[in-house]
Amino acid sequence: RKEVEQDPGPFNVPEGATVAFNCTYSNSASQSFFWYRQDCRKEPKLLMSVYSSGNEDGRFTAQLNRASQYISLLIRDSKLSDSATYLCAVNSPSRFGNEKLTFGTGTRLTIIP
Amino acid sequence: GAGVSQSPRYKVAKRGQDVALRCDPISGHVSLFWYQQALGQGPEFLTYFQNEAQLDKSGLPSDRFFAERPEGSVSTLKIQRTQQEDSAVYLCASSTGTGGFTDTQYFGPGTRLTVL
Repeated sequence: RKEVEQDPGPFNVPEGATVAFNCTYSNSASQSFFWYRQDCRKEPKLLMSVYSSGNEDGRFTAQLNRASQYISLLIRDSKLSDSATYLCAVNSPSRFGNEKLTFGTGTRLTIIP
Repeated sequence: GAGVSQSPRYKVAKRGQDVALRCDPISGHVSLFWYQQALGQGPEFLTYFQNEAQLDKSGLPSDRFFAERPEGSVSTLKIQRTQQEDSAVYLCASSTGTGGFTDTQYFGPGTRLTVL
């Protein structure tokens, strides 16, 4: 089983709709969780961080379920500009103290006019 | 302010050539990470520096891969005798290194390496 798993999609969603992605992780020691957005041929850019139960920023809501070891991302009132790949990332603490990230494969989202 | 920068942005190498990829982290960032992203996949961890010390190189796929950060700022990832399977985007990320698990990693634009 991969450490971080995401549904690769693609998700094709009409403009204005609500869309949700899930991401499961296997390392129960992980303490921080991130959603990154990656546009085609660009670098990942941080969208949201989640350290406790959840986080909300405008149209975006991230939820963490530690018992079931998954995080979710909800996008409300989707815009054409939301079309991108959404990467789930989980920190992997090690004896070195670094917080290297383990990423899922990403979920491709296309918003349809 | 200036973000993470990487050079070159694109590199084409013939199989067997050596390549060197450069990363300039955000000024003052203690932690520096290298990741490899294959087409259609998420980034995969290669190695980690805290200042000039390479604390974790567990993700380097073979001894052909070597990274350094001699003065604790700029880092270079070197790949010797490149193979076709090395073709990927190499991403550098930096963080303050002071926030523990709340540290945010900021990514550079990446170097797209194509090995022919």
